[in-house]
Amino acid sequence: DAGITQSPRHKVTETGTPVTLRCHQTENHRYMYWYRQDPGHGLRLIHYSYGVKDTDKGEVSDGYSVSRSKTEDFLLTLESATSSQTSVYFCAISESGWVNTEAFFGQGTRLTVV
Amino acid sequence: AQKITQTQPGMFVQEKEAVTLDCTYDTSDQSYGLFWYKQPSSGEMIFLIYQGSYDEQNATEGRYSLNFQKARKSANLVISASQLGDSAMYFCAMRGEYGNQFYFGTGTSLTVIP
Repeated sequence: DAGITQSPRHKVTETGTPVTLRCHQTENHRYMYWYRQDPGHGLRLIHYSYGVKDTDKGEVSDGYSVSRSKTEDFLLTLESATSSQTSVYFCAISESGWVNTEAFFGQGTRLTVV
Repeated sequence: AQKITQTQPGMFVQEKEAVTLDCTYDTSDQSYGLFWYKQPSSGEMIFLIYQGSYDEQNATEGRYSLNFQKARKSANLVISASQLGDSAMYFCAMRGEYGNQFYFGTGTSLTVIP
């Protein structure tokens, strides 16, 4: 199994509070991704990183920011949590940008905003 | 823009029978990769199979095969000899020529009936 750890695994937070989710990898993969999974929407990309301090937005990036100061860590921050951000969040990693390189996923973080 | 469409929200199959899960994609890229993932009720995302746009043979991995029809832009997953453990959500995904992002469909829920 790819070495990807997400923390926390579960979190309940109040509307308006900031929240940070962490993704840690031991594979030294270049690409890291944050997705959210919601019923009927599949997985939607929030942000991704293609190297240390190199990040870009995905299709649902509003209200989220990311940082990658080390190869192994990719942080997702909800600046002011809203109920619409209640979701399951997945981190994924990929060794390269080649089209034939698969993504490996973490176990997911279930976030509830009340 | 890349898009993945999975039109079957739910499917049922008898144990030991074969089942086909549909996936169509839209891209203007010449080079791309197609992937299938399995998500059991426990929540993790498991990579199953990969097909490259230039691959002339359909990909196979054990009981999984990918029926790739490039002209129709379809990449259907075929599971042979279904087992109870195949009950899960299945996601089709694509990675385009510039390779940064993975695009996912909305998934198909497969239930294997004893």
